[in-house]
Amino acid sequence: DTEVTQTPKHLVMGMTNKKSLKCEQHMGHRAMYWYKQKAKKPPELMFVYSYEKLSINESVPSRFSPECPNSSLLNLHLHALQPEDSALYLCDSSQGKILLRTEAFFGQGTRLTVV
Amino acid sequence: AQSVTQPDIHITVSEGASLELRCNYSYGATPYLFWYVQSPGQGLQLLLKYFSGDTLVQGIKGFEAEFKRSQSSFNLRKPSVHWSDAAEYFCAVGQTNAGGTSYGKLTFGQGTILTVHP
Repeated sequence: DTEVTQTPKHLVMGMTNKKSLKCEQHMGHRAMYWYKQKAKKPPELMFVYSYEKLSINESVPSRFSPECPNSSLLNLHLHALQPEDSALYLCDSSQGKILLRTEAFFGQGTRLTVV
Repeated sequence: AQSVTQPDIHITVSEGASLELRCNYSYGATPYLFWYVQSPGQGLQLLLKYFSGDTLVQGIKGFEAEFKRSQSSFNLRKPSVHWSDAAEYFCAVGQTNAGGTSYGKLTFGQGTILTVHP
């Protein structure tokens, strides 16, 4: 299994809602990443988990809350989002504790719309 | 700091014509380079990658890329474009350990949108 699965594929939420995005992989990878991608722009890194510990937070607002409950699963909890947070959210995984990024497996993304 | 430049924001080619998408990188050591394709609203699909060895790399869907260290380039090519190749293409470089943090950040270029005319 060489896939990264993201659910849901589409999500529409109000600014007062709480929702979660899910990312799952069964490749034994120990590094998982969240990216945000606006239209016609490259992906921007948000968070990195290595061995289930948060390694990097790229100055992301606290209304985005990541969670890595086990080595296969990465969640992104959303609360009190703004319309400008509407974007494609991508998950990525690779072998953990590496010096060089020699691989990257992306999920299909969750298209989030905040109304 | 590492950077990736894709000089062409938008390229239009006719179906059956050859294609070359440019990618230049700035990196202090031997880079790990990737090309991804993204259809609208979809995730990123890996076309090919270069780590070491043969500088001409074959990928999926008939794509190839050539690593040229002297030019700091990793251009993507296809001899005959199909209408289904219309998409956005991203070049990316994998970073080494930064500031003692081992997390392997990918740096992306701004992307090149490919339009294919029948």
